[in-house]
Amino acid sequence: EVQLVDSGGGLVQPGGSLRLSCAASGLIFNNHFMSWVRQAPGKGLEWVSSIDFNGDNTYYADSVKGRFTVSRDNSKNTLYLQMNSLRAEDTAVYYCTKMGAYACDYWGQGTVVAVSS
Amino acid sequence: QSALTQPRSVSGSPGQSVTISCTGTSSDVGAYNYISWYQQLPGKAPKLMTYDVTRRPSGVPDRFSGSKSGNTASLTISGLQAEDEADYYCCSYAGSFTWVFGGGTKVTVL
Repeated sequence: EVQLVDSGGGLVQPGGSLRLSCAASGLIFNNHFMSWVRQAPGKGLEWVSSIDFNGDNTYYADSVKGRFTVSRDNSKNTLYLQMNSLRAEDTAVYYCTKMGAYACDYWGQGTVVAVSS
Repeated sequence: QSALTQPRSVSGSPGQSVTISCTGTSSDVGAYNYISWYQQLPGKAPKLMTYDVTRRPSGVPDRFSGSKSGNTASLTISGLQAEDEADYYCCSYAGSFTWVFGGGTKVTVL
């Protein structure tokens, strides 16, 4: 059974940094694109970033480009999202997702990021 | 990367059918047959309900069906059940390994 466990969220001041992690199990991790999707309080889903199988290619939404960096460690079956220069509008639940057939077929439980002074 | 347009809410009685629309552009919904739909129960992570416009993952009831015409995709729930009450989101591939979601639709079972 595929399991994705998100962690690393917390309260951070504007301009601060945070690194999210997603531990994957029950799959051959390096066979799959992975993505991060976020959901601001009371709002809809927003695609944030994706990374290819070996981490050579990364992709970002315009709203986070230049501030967030996605990476993966296939030896640890773990996906990361380094978030710098955080803003209030980055406050959200962040979900790690496994990509299958251009869709998010498995989701983590989410980790909460709150940006506030 | 503008969000796809969904109605804020739809409702129906048990046993009825409801259809949720998802309107994009010729750069996303109209350009690719990579449309997916997600169900989100309160406080839970989203769950994939359909992908590649019409396909269903194993375990998703065949009451859920997807379709697309031009720049608009749709999700139909037939034989509505109380457990279908949730938020539903569409998502489209938008090229260059980017994706765009809809704003979400609340389905209420009357």
